[in-house]
Amino acid sequence: DIQLTQSPSFLSASVGDRVTITCRASQGISSYLAWYQQKPGKAPNLLIYVASTLQSGVPSRFSGTGSGTEFTLTISSLQPEDFATYYCQQFDSYPRTFGQGTKVEIK
Amino acid sequence: QITLKESGPTLVKPTQTLTLTCTLSGFSLITSGVAVGWIRQPPGQALEWVALIYWDNDKRYNPSLNSRLTITKDTSKNQVVLTMTNMDPVDTATYYCAHTTVTTTAFDIWGQGTMVTVSS
Repeated sequence: DIQLTQSPSFLSASVGDRVTITCRASQGISSYLAWYQQKPGKAPNLLIYVASTLQSGVPSRFSGTGSGTEFTLTISSLQPEDFATYYCQQFDSYPRTFGQGTKVEIK
Repeated sequence: QITLKESGPTLVKPTQTLTLTCTLSGFSLITSGVAVGWIRQPPGQALEWVALIYWDNDKRYNPSLNSRLTITKDTSKNQVVLTMTNMDPVDTATYYCAHTTVTTTAFDIWGQGTMVTVSS
C-alpha cells in the first residue's frame, strides 16, 4: 500500500495567515492526489484533484501543487470558515489511501 | 443534482454481518466512467478507503478488509450495497459512500454518512 504522510498533523493559525500543508507519498504517484476539507460531524468536501485542479465552487484561495512524492495544499489567506481538518488521498493505485489528516485551528 | 444517501443498521453485534445501502440520485452506475466508493471513519480518526465499484462492474477492495467485503450494484434500484462480514468493535465508524469518475478520480460528491456501532 502507498502510505501518505501529512505534515504538520496540527496547525494553529490566525485569520489572514498563509497556510501550507504537505503530503508525502511513500512512492511516486504522478499527479494522482486529491485534497479534502472536513468539518466536525460532516462529510469531507473535495477541494483539489489531480494535485492542482480546483474543484468547482471551491474558493481560489485554495491551491495545490506537486507531483511524484511531494504535494502541498496552500490556503493563501485563512478565513474563519477554513478551520477544519484536511486530508490528502492518492488515486495512483489500490487501495486509495488517505493521509492521517491535518487539523487547522484558530490561534 | 447528484446526491448519495447511506442507510443501514446503527448497531450490530460482534460476528454479525453488516449490510449498508447507498441510494444514488441524479446519476446512474449505467453511465460509462462512473464509480461509487465506500469510505469509513472511526470516531476521532482518519478516513479509510474501503471499496469501489465501477459502471462496468469492476470491483476493488481494501486488502486489509478484502476477505470480509462484498460490493454490488443494483442499477434497477440505483443502489450500491456493501456487505461486511464478521463485524468487530474496531469496525465502529461512520461509513460514507461517494461518487467519482474516471476523469476526476477523486470523490467529488459524498453522502452524509451513517454511524455504525459494533457492540454486544
